[in-house]
Parts: sequence; C-alpha cells; structure tokens
Amino acid sequence: DSGVTQTPKHLITATGQRVTLRCSPRSGDLSVYWYQQSLDQGLQFLIQYYNGEERAKGNILERFSAQQFPDLHSELNLSSLELGDSALYFCASSVVPAGRNYGYTFGSGTRLTVV
Amino acid sequence: LAKTTQPISMDSYEGQEVNITCSHNNIATNDYITWYQQFPSQGPRFIIQGYKTKVTNEVASLFIPADRKSSTLSLPRVSLSDTAVYYCLVGEDGSGNTGKLIFGQGTTLQVKP
Repeated sequence: DSGVTQTPKHLITATGQRVTLRCSPRSGDLSVYWYQQSLDQGLQFLIQYYNGEERAKGNILERFSAQQFPDLHSELNLSSLELGDSALYFCASSVVPAGRNYGYTFGSGTRLTVV
Repeated sequence: LAKTTQPISMDSYEGQEVNITCSHNNIATNDYITWYQQFPSQGPRFIIQGYKTKVTNEVASLFIPADRKSSTLSLPRVSLSDTAVYYCLVGEDGSGNTGKLIFGQGTTLQVKP
C-alpha cells in the first residue's frame, strides 16, 4: 500500500457517459497529479493541484476536468467518453509542488474501459 | 524542459548486474535526476534520485558524471521480479511552482532465468 488511494479500481462504461475518478493523497502530501496511461501513449501528465489550486496542465482534454478539495482529495471528471479514453488513470502525490524532491507516490490506478 | 533518452529495452539474466544509461543533455542547473520502476498495471514506484556523483540505497545505485549530461542506474544482482519498465526523469526548473514529471518511453528490462 503506497498510501495513495484511488477508487474505483475498475470502471466499465459506455461511450458518451461521464465518470468520476477519486484520489486520496498520502497523508501530509499537498500536491496531487493525474496521469493517463494507454498502451500507445505511455504515461501522459494531465494536471496538477497543490493545496486546492491548479498548478500545471498537461495534455488534458477539454472533456476532462479535475479539482482538489479542502481535505486534499482530488477528483478527475471525464465526460462524453470515447473509446480512446480507455486507459489506466493514475494519481500521484508529493509533499511539495516542486523543488529538490521529485519523489512522487503513485496510487494503484483506475482502469477505465469505454465500450 | 530537459528531454531524456534511454534504451527501449534490455535483457539480462538472474544474478547479473544491470546498468541502464540515460542521456539528458539539456539538464538544468537545478534539476535532479530521478528513476522510477513500473510493473504492469501498477503505478510507477520511486527508486532513486540524485544530483551529482553517486547515490546508493537499498535497491539501486545512481551514477552521475560531473557534466550531468547522463546518468546510469545500476541494479545489483537482478532477479526475475526486477522485470519492469524503468523511467529516467529530469525535473523541471527546481525553483518553479510546478513539479510535474514528464515520463518518456522508459526502458523495458526483461530478466531471464
């Protein structure tokens, strides 16, 4: 157990639907990062939050959105789902947003299958 | 943003030492070098991080030459369970407000019996 909790572990849904993925960071970590990993794209950075505020955006589609709540958990919302959105979605957390420590702790991921 | 280049794949046998080299010619002064390990369908796991010279922990060693344009991850006496993808990452500007890590394609290490 890495300390980063992601739910659900598996999700199967139909095209056009909307889903919410949840992440609870490791205790004490203020930064949360979301990554998407598909077979042909590798690990793609989506978005980062630090203490409730968005800090960085990567290749996140407009159909996707995220937020970090006061208790520091984060949710990634995926809407108008397409077959190509099928992937593993990882959440990671770290103590600080940057600086000399780039050690992230990753969760075990949510496997999303769009049918 | 410093880009990294590492071999796509490597094969080894149990008990051997494995060295995976990563090139990062455009590394910035404040950047650190970090290696992650990922097993199939699991999240990446932090292995080791360094800035210069040599760093060693219970899992691996990291060798960084003086010019810091490359680094080598050394795994002593690998076992079958070390079969995984290994990513070399160089952090963005260490004084910035973002700490996002950009993963490359990684090196797929296959350990054979």
